[in-house]
Amino acid sequence: GQQLNQSPQSMFIQEGEDVSMNCTSSSIFNTWLWYKQDPGEGPVLLIALYKAGELTSNGRLTAQFGITRKDSFLNISASIPSDVGIYFCAGYQFGWGKLQFGAGTQVVVTP
Amino acid sequence: EAGVAQSPRYKIIEKRQSVAFWCNPISGHATLYWYQQILGQGPKLLIQFQNNGVVDDSQLPKDRFSAERLKGVDSTLKIQPAKLEDSAVYLCASSEVTRGADTQYFGPGTRLTVL
Repeated sequence: GQQLNQSPQSMFIQEGEDVSMNCTSSSIFNTWLWYKQDPGEGPVLLIALYKAGELTSNGRLTAQFGITRKDSFLNISASIPSDVGIYFCAGYQFGWGKLQFGAGTQVVVTP
Repeated sequence: EAGVAQSPRYKIIEKRQSVAFWCNPISGHATLYWYQQILGQGPKLLIQFQNNGVVDDSQLPKDRFSAERLKGVDSTLKIQPAKLEDSAVYLCASSEVTRGADTQYFGPGTRLTVL
């Protein structure tokens, strides 16, 4: 399968700080998705990106589809305690026809 | 709108036993997926159905795993016999096709522990 490298693996931040994470690949993707997974739950879709260079926001979340189509970024502004969880990137290629997930970024927010 | 339903939520079995998981997708979603998520990793696709037909089962260990989706709605995933390395969360997802890509919605998962 296609390899997605997600970083950082974990982040410990203070409430109110901004968070950035990214996903890179050696392959080109047609779609990038960002999910959040809370303990004991399935991943929940946060943002979907469909075009190179696309910048999309969802509340305090902003994600970008890299111009090379080989990477994507997720930013969380002014973090709050409920932002705690594991964030996954996922890439989709038309030819391959399935989602490839990164290993996840664990975010811990301290008051 | 109801989400993807899965049961049971937790299952503990001994190795060599068999186990089955059930999934009910979002109403109207033709595509259904089963994923395996090992602790510390992202989900890995096991099998994908389009209605009641298999689209992709290339990563399904067919010597012990089987899945079916009768009538194109509910689905079951079975492991027989289970091995220790099968301990994982099994996630079911369903999708609507949006702009040529699958936007997948996940259920809460079944956490399997094999002793």
